[in-house]
Parts: sequence; C-alpha cells; structure tokens
Amino acid sequence: QSALTQPASVSGSPGQSITISCTGTSIDVGIYKYVSWYQQHPGKAPKLVIFDDSNRPSGVSNRLSASKSGNTASLTISGLQGEDEADYYCSSYGRRSGWVFGGGTKVTVL
Amino acid sequence: QVTLRESGPALVKPTQTLTLTCTFSGFSLDTSGMCLTWIRQPPGKALEWLARIDWADDKYYSKSLETRLTISKDTSRNQVVLTMTNMDPVDTATYYCVRVPLQEGYYMDVWGQGTTVIVSS
Repeated sequence: QSALTQPASVSGSPGQSITISCTGTSIDVGIYKYVSWYQQHPGKAPKLVIFDDSNRPSGVSNRLSASKSGNTASLTISGLQGEDEADYYCSSYGRRSGWVFGGGTKVTVL
Repeated sequence: QVTLRESGPALVKPTQTLTLTCTFSGFSLDTSGMCLTWIRQPPGKALEWLARIDWADDKYYSKSLETRLTISKDTSRNQVVLTMTNMDPVDTATYYCVRVPLQEGYYMDVWGQGTTVIVSS
C-alpha cells in the first residue's frame, strides 16, 4: 500500500484537460513538504515533470501544471495529446520516511 | 550531460545477495549537496525508494528494508553500489539509480535506464 493515494486511472479525449490528485497527510504532503511528479512511458524510466509542488524543469511542456492545497497535490494536463499517455507518480520526502510515492495513475487518451 | 547506468545480475536465486552498481558521469558525488538514491519498481507496480547516499557519505535506508540493504560509494570511480541480502521472489523488480540535487531540493532529476532483476530458483 502506497503512502500517497492517487486514482488508478484517468482518461480524456485529445484537447481536453485532466487532473490527477495525490493525497497524503500533513507529514508527507502538507505544508513544508515539497511534492514532485514523474511521468513514465511503458518500458521507460520515470522522468521528472514537476518539482517543488509546481515548478517545471526545463524542456517539460507547459501543458503540464501542478498545485497543492492542504494535504492534496494535483497535476493537470491541458490540451491532452497522445504523447501524454503514460503513468504518472507523485512523490514527497519526509525526514523519517525518506521518499514516498503514490501508487501511480495511468493516463489514457481516448 | 548527466548520465547514470545501472549494472548487475539479471537473475539471482532466493536467499542470495544482490549487488548492483551505478556508474555515473557528468557530475561529482563529492559536490556538496549531491546525493544518489536507489528506487525499484516491481512489474506492473509502483515505485519504491530503497536507499540514499550523500556527498558526505551519510546513508539512509527504507525502514522496511534497512536490515537487508547496504549502500556505498567510490567517488574515484564515479560509482555507487547497493547490496541487498536474502533475496526473495518478491524482490523481482527493475532497479533504478537516481540523482537528487539536495542543494536544490528533494526531487529526483536524473534517472538511469534501470536494470531488471528476477529472483527465481
């Protein structure tokens, strides 16, 4: 059982927007804890797409955005495209637990 | 360009010890704030953090696996080694070596391609 809770799957049509939630507790997602998001295509290593709750690394599409409110972080993909079809994982760090991950969300483009 | 490459046996028998090596380039693990971690992913399952080693040689382990794990570094060879004892079929997974620039934050910015380990007799 993962420490962070994500929906198992989310789907949308091309051009639509979807949002993936990531729910934890005040220990791992709440204030002062920074959430990062990773995208993983089948057979590939994960790739960092969001760090420090809402920042995009250089080269990551600006169609990906993220936010956090209380103990829930969210990743939004706008203008959904076929290349967005992948698994997405949220992660947070705690001094006692180290890094924890969500169970992953499979994004399907209909 | 920062790269990481994992290497190790593809198949181990139950009760054996697994030794994985991460060979990296494009940065130094002697740099203050630099850190390497190991992450694993069983087939079809989620990511799981295993261990971390910092530039100062501080080491941290997953609470659930800490009795079985040892992480070490050889900065002269740009390598980090992870050993896991008493392997079990449930340890079958892809193992990733991942960089964490602690001086910037607690996120994993560069991942190796991963190495798949099957535990079977």
